[in-house]
Amino acid sequence: AQTVTQSQPEMSVQEAETVTLSCTYDTSESDYYLFWYKQPPSRQMILVIRQEAYKQQNATENRFSVNFQKAAKSFSLKISDSQLGDAAMYFCAYRSVTAYSGAGSYQLTFGKGTKLSVIP
Amino acid sequence: DGGITQSPKYLFRKEGQNVTLSCEQNLNHDAMYWYRQDPGQGLRLIYYSQIVNDFQKGDIAEGYSVSREKKESFPLTVTSAQKNPTAFYLCASKGLTEGANSFRDEQFFGPGTRLTVL
Repeated sequence: AQTVTQSQPEMSVQEAETVTLSCTYDTSESDYYLFWYKQPPSRQMILVIRQEAYKQQNATENRFSVNFQKAAKSFSLKISDSQLGDAAMYFCAYRSVTAYSGAGSYQLTFGKGTKLSVIP
Repeated sequence: DGGITQSPKYLFRKEGQNVTLSCEQNLNHDAMYWYRQDPGQGLRLIYYSQIVNDFQKGDIAEGYSVSREKKESFPLTVTSAQKNPTAFYLCASKGLTEGANSFRDEQFFGPGTRLTVL
């Protein structure tokens, strides 16, 4: 079974600065997807960024980018030019590529989350 | 607007009662999911359904039941057998979104229901 670990329960960043959230995972599969989700106080889960494991290039979405280290099974999220609206819980998640892995459901396996505070 | 709706937003139940949480989507997605979220925990999968009239247990299905009679709807019943039902419940559906160069399948989440057992 896959596991996802977020070792930083809480982090803070000054507005306009850069912050990196860590995520490691454990899997025996060679191909999979990794995601970062944001959960603001409204508790709506919002997809921030995704990475396909077969792609060597790190994904970027505006101010959000990832550092994907497949051999180290590491998937960190970098937020540049932090804004007050970035304050939220951030969850790292793993998903198998095939329907016949694990539960066979394309289910997401989540880490426990990192609470990010942005200081004005 | 296409999306996922969950109702009610807040739900209170007396101990020993069954309660049903609603999840509806108009995204024409085949797959739907129920997750539970507790403080300090990530989301954990309760049940999922890949097509109508079919559903499978997730990691923490004990004390819960579901049905999938229509593509749009995937209600979750929290039964009296669930020992610690107070939690935040999220419903999701999975479908294709159009990216810059390809289609990608992703899970989209509803706004959630906060269940409190009194």
